[in-house]
Amino acid sequence: DAGVIQSPRHEVTEMGQEVTLRCKPISGHDYLFWYRQTMMRGLELLIYFNNNVPIDDSGMPEDRFSAKMPNASFSTLKIQPSEPRDSAVYFCASSSRWSRQETQYFGPGTRLLVL
Amino acid sequence: QKEVEQNSGPLSVPEGAIASLNCTYSDRGSQSFFWYRQYSGKSPELIMSIYSNGDKEDGRFTAQLNKASQYVSLLIRDSQPSDSATYLCAVRGSGYSTLTFGKGTMLLVSP
Repeated sequence: DAGVIQSPRHEVTEMGQEVTLRCKPISGHDYLFWYRQTMMRGLELLIYFNNNVPIDDSGMPEDRFSAKMPNASFSTLKIQPSEPRDSAVYFCASSSRWSRQETQYFGPGTRLLVL
Repeated sequence: QKEVEQNSGPLSVPEGAIASLNCTYSDRGSQSFFWYRQYSGKSPELIMSIYSNGDKEDGRFTAQLNKASQYVSLLIRDSQPSDSATYLCAVRGSGYSTLTFGKGTMLLVSP
């Protein structure tokens, strides 16, 4: 399996622009997680889905952030409008409820810089 | 508010020594505990999980759990320079809930 795939790997944009991050989970996994990592706050859970349904979005910082999972193999995280404080590494992770350790497998991340 | 605390480090050890990484958590109902390793510029990867009190060994790694003290640790024996990374402690509550991560401890192993 190719693992969790994220795109783009790097994104530089200007304040006010829309940013869309993409994620393809591991095939067969029924949970998908979006995280944000910064030096100050560490790794924070933004939202997670189970069987394509959003379960908990309490970590989404503001209404500027939205996430969708239209099918089992694709999810997006959108920031509109973007702000410099959104600069961070955004990780997508997936897991299976039925795997032995319920391990979360992380994608390579998207490094976002908002100028 | 569930909290997971780790010393940010860096923890510096010479090659061949034992590295000891510690983690405390606030949610007494937590059931599952994980150690992730994250190399600079890379994503976290799971290296150990532990569910019951005591020790769990896997190669050079030993995870230790004390639920009464709400304390988890990771020991790395015969530390190698390739072990230099940030180690993230993660805790899950009962059932299939989400993970809460600590901010990580940076480990530096010098040759």
